[in-house]
Amino acid sequence: GQNIDQPTEMTATEGAIVQINCTYQTSGFNGLFWYQQHAGEAPTFLSYNVLDGLEEKGRFSSFLSRSKGYSYLLLKELQMKDSASYLCVVMDSNYQLIWGAGTKLIIKP
Amino acid sequence: GAVVSQHPSRVICKSGTSVKIECRSLDFQATTMFWYRQFPKKSLMLMATSNEGSKATYEQGVEKDKFLINHASLTLSTLTVTSAHPEDSSFYICSARGLAEGETQYFGPGTRLLVL
Repeated sequence: GQNIDQPTEMTATEGAIVQINCTYQTSGFNGLFWYQQHAGEAPTFLSYNVLDGLEEKGRFSSFLSRSKGYSYLLLKELQMKDSASYLCVVMDSNYQLIWGAGTKLIIKP
Repeated sequence: GAVVSQHPSRVICKSGTSVKIECRSLDFQATTMFWYRQFPKKSLMLMATSNEGSKATYEQGVEKDKFLINHASLTLSTLTVTSAHPEDSSFYICSARGLAEGETQYFGPGTRLLVL
């Protein structure tokens, strides 16, 4: 079956760095997305990786290793507003989205 | 974990026809279902929120007569795109939330609609 694994919850301190890991087993691969979702709001697009390597976008970076079925989202200089759920999503060979359950990130002062 | 399915996974239709997309919660009762539209590498755009047994609440700018939503049971919601036009071509995603799941939404795999 198809599966996405990411931690359920993580806690970090304001100003610090946090890495949210995601591992996946899917039938084929057409890219991996990271979304941020605040409670009661629609998911916001953060990144899309389809090739191996690191993509940096401001305070957020996303890494992909297709051979390992692994990705991570790196958040630097954490701010209180970064408290949210982070969703790892893989598009399979049929262009279907396989959603992780999300990682709830709690930022403490 | 909770599973949400969508059917069909992809559909091609002629301009002017109507298309129905189903969203089902397979192992939990979804008191609330959400319908989103996704453009490539963009955030999900919330179209409407539906609670079982009541009328859907549409977001500003979404035509309720064009995008008909029915949430007739605790496991099924449908989105019907009426008189589809090429600009309606998109990826439609539903999510579901149940009382036992708290605030967590579980997302479906999406339906790719292409209107010719």
